[in-house]
Amino acid sequence: GAVVSQHPSWVICKSGTSVKIECRSLDFQATTMFWYRQFPKQSLMLMATSNEGSKATYEQGVEKDKFLINHASLTLSTLTVTSAHPEDSSFYICSASRQGYTDTQYFGPGTRLTVL
Amino acid sequence: GNSVTQMEGPVTLSEEAFLTINCTYTATGYPSLFWYVQYPGEGLQLLLKATKADDKGSNKGFEATYRKETTSFHLEKGSVQVSDSAVYFCALSELTQGGSEKLVFGKGTKLTVNP
Repeated sequence: GAVVSQHPSWVICKSGTSVKIECRSLDFQATTMFWYRQFPKQSLMLMATSNEGSKATYEQGVEKDKFLINHASLTLSTLTVTSAHPEDSSFYICSASRQGYTDTQYFGPGTRLTVL
Repeated sequence: GNSVTQMEGPVTLSEEAFLTINCTYTATGYPSLFWYVQYPGEGLQLLLKATKADDKGSNKGFEATYRKETTSFHLEKGSVQVSDSAVYFCALSELTQGGSEKLVFGKGTKLTVNP
């Protein structure tokens, strides 16, 4: 139980295009989902926290107009990188907390984004 | 703000060797502390956690004790196996304004165990 999937697992796009990454909790309802970014040999940096049905809360320094987060249901959150540029290339990871169990996060396998 | 510092890797050990991965933290208040493990090609998985001072988290032969006096949460295992090869992340939790728990991670330590 407590499986989180991400799609796609990797994506290559041209500069200026938008890319959508999906995060799904497969066997539980997730009231809260988190989006992280991981640079090579660095820790995961939280980008934003989203609760189902409400606007995401972004961390300081994260551009909310560039990284659009939607948490439309208790099993799906999406991250859209708008007008992507090479500096947006990174490993994006989502996690989800079960309804009523906010102290444990279950992580997806990550999405590798490469912007040419 | 809160932060986590863990020993840099990579760490390479022979099977059955003793493992220690150091982790120290800076935090206001009393956060929960975690160790996550990431096996190749997979997402992070919770390995163990401790929620208050002197608590010991343990799982799969790994242990870590929440030491408030030294602000540490070192990961140990008495006898590692090849299957323990992975990246290990130390983390602490802090409450956001919205009431959810937010994780702050260390940089990760890559462990390779050779047969």
